Amino acid sequence: AQSVTQPDIHITVSEGASLELRCNYSYGATPYLFWYVQSPGQGLQLLLKYFSGDTLVQGIKGFEAEFKRSQSSFNLRKPSVHWSDAAEYFCAAPNSGGSNYKLTFGKGTLLTVNP
Amino acid sequence: DTGVSQNPRHKITKRGQNVTFRCDPISEHNRLYWYRQTLGQGPEFLTYFQNEAQLEKSRLLSDRFSAERPKGSFSTLEIQRTEQGDSAMYLCASTPATELFFGEGSRLTVL
Repeated sequence: AQSVTQPDIHITVSEGASLELRCNYSYGATPYLFWYVQSPGQGLQLLLKYFSGDTLVQGIKGFEAEFKRSQSSFNLRKPSVHWSDAAEYFCAAPNSGGSNYKLTFGKGTLLTVNP
Repeated sequence: DTGVSQNPRHKITKRGQNVTFRCDPISEHNRLYWYRQTLGQGPEFLTYFQNEAQLEKSRLLSDRFSAERPKGSFSTLEIQRTEQGDSAMYLCASTPATELFFGEGSRLTVL
């Protein structure tokens, strides 16, 4: 079955440190891949997406992600974390073909930023 | 573009009562999705509309749940005879193509 796995439930980093959040997917073909961020009590905001082409994707708020087919990964990175980045991060991929881009989400990684 | 709007943002109800949530998508987005998110989990797909047609329903959507999208505009999600297990955040999203735009969600607490 198609799936998205986020191995890390909770990550703590210090403000200014670099960040990498892991995402692994299980799909036959090259998938579309997304990273969303959710602040407490809020909906989800799209950070970035990968459809095809350049495997390094730039997103909002200084985030980037790299698609690695050989590792079935789409890890999210940021060179220097700000306190406002504390939130929950979700990796997602469509679970259907055709016109229904129903997304399957990972379980999320909660990011805590220490001052 | 005013974003996806969901109402109410919070709902506390007693077990056995019916509740209804409303979602107003971004105008001209023909596809609308409902997701459910429980604590510590990612959003899980519930159902999907293309215009006014409900094209897919998850097995999570029991017969106590019903969703509509009359005239292909706003959508409602009704839960009848609520159970404590229905407590969750209900998220609505709309899209014209591949990128989902989410609302801020409606949090349901069933006592």
